[in-house]
Amino acid sequence: RKEVEQDPGPFNVPEGATVAFNCTYSNSASQSFFWYRQDCRKEPKLLMSVYSSGNEDGRFTAQLNRASQYISLLIRDSKLSDSATYLCVVRANKFYFGSGTKLNVKP
Amino acid sequence: GAVVSQHPSWVICKSGTSVKIECRSLDFQATTMFWYRQFPKQSLMLMATSNEGSKATYEQGVEKDKFLINHASLTLSTLTVTSAHPEDSSFYICSASWDRAYNEQFFGPGTRLTVL
Repeated sequence: RKEVEQDPGPFNVPEGATVAFNCTYSNSASQSFFWYRQDCRKEPKLLMSVYSSGNEDGRFTAQLNRASQYISLLIRDSKLSDSATYLCVVRANKFYFGSGTKLNVKP
Repeated sequence: GAVVSQHPSWVICKSGTSVKIECRSLDFQATTMFWYRQFPKQSLMLMATSNEGSKATYEQGVEKDKFLINHASLTLSTLTVTSAHPEDSSFYICSASWDRAYNEQFFGPGTRLTVL
């Protein structure tokens, strides 16, 4: 079983739509959680950390559910520029990356 | 802040040659640097973790004699792919963290290696 699992997608949504991604992790001792964004042939860039109480940054909301061992990312009012691959990253003894969820926002 | 650079951004080499990739933290001191490899449409795979002044810790299945890592200063780590072969062609990305708890890591722009 993979340490971090994500639905690879792609999620094809129209502009303005709300879209949500989930990510599950297997190590209950995981300590830190992140969402990264990776554009094609580019390096990952930190989108947001995920805190136990949930956190929001503009159109992006992240949630953590330790009991069920998953984290989520909600994107509201999708923009064309949100098209990318979203990586779920979990830190236990080291960093573990999900394989990413691809989002395509269409006009 | 928290800028990480990599050089070169891309390299094409002949099979059997060695290639050195540099990773620099430009505006912070990186106590820990990570080296990843990413094949097309796959996730990043951690190759090794290096702490300044000590030997790198390699992940299972990564040959330490083939992928030489040096982290001689708080702002520079190098990865040398020795005797590169076509199957080593990949996107190599470094990241850096400023604390040993490495709660965040900042990625370099990556180096695309093509071995002919």
